[in-house]
Amino acid sequence: EDKVVQSPLSLVVHEGDTVTLNCSYEVTNFRSLLWYKQEKKAPTFLFMLTSSGIEKKSGRLSSILDKKELFSILNITATQTGDSAVYLCAVGSNSGYALNFGKGTSLLVTP
Amino acid sequence: EPEVTQTPSHQVTQMGQEVILRCVPISNHLYFYWYRQILGQKVEFLVSFYNNEISEKSEIFDDQFSVERPDGSNFTLKIRSTKLEDSAMYFCASSGQGEVGHTQYFGPGTRLTVL
Repeated sequence: EDKVVQSPLSLVVHEGDTVTLNCSYEVTNFRSLLWYKQEKKAPTFLFMLTSSGIEKKSGRLSSILDKKELFSILNITATQTGDSAVYLCAVGSNSGYALNFGKGTSLLVTP
Repeated sequence: EPEVTQTPSHQVTQMGQEVILRCVPISNHLYFYWYRQILGQKVEFLVSFYNNEISEKSEIFDDQFSVERPDGSNFTLKIRSTKLEDSAMYFCASSGQGEVGHTQYFGPGTRLTVL
């Protein structure tokens, strides 16, 4: 059975800290790994990763995929209170179009 | 920036009633999806839809559920004879063609409360 595991489940940091969120997966016929940010409602797309070792970057956020060790990390540098959210990792398979989500990491950034 | 929209934002219904959740996907997208998230749990896939038919569905998507694209813009999820355990946030998503991995963009969700 396909599995997506995120860690930690929750995290509290101070503004300015750097955080690293983890996502490990076991998926048959892997196609892609996606990161989403979920604040109040809709998961908002951050990154899609398909190739190992290529860092995707957007402002203070970056992410990288390791297809050999089957994990991805999401880094947030110089955190701000607006980064407080649940970060979701989802994996897609070439067997279909369904995304398999992890339980998420709840990040709270305190002033 | 184009986005997925959903209506209503919150729906309250009595057990046994039928509900229809509506979505307007991003206009040039070809693939449409429904997911649900029960409070405190992970987002779960329900169904995907392409070329006017279901392309994939999960075990959750049983005969109680149906989807339809009644016109060129709307995509609906119908839940017949709702049960208490159908209470959840329902997300619609859409993706285009040509992107590797077909990034799925999510709407703001409909919170369904079954009493």
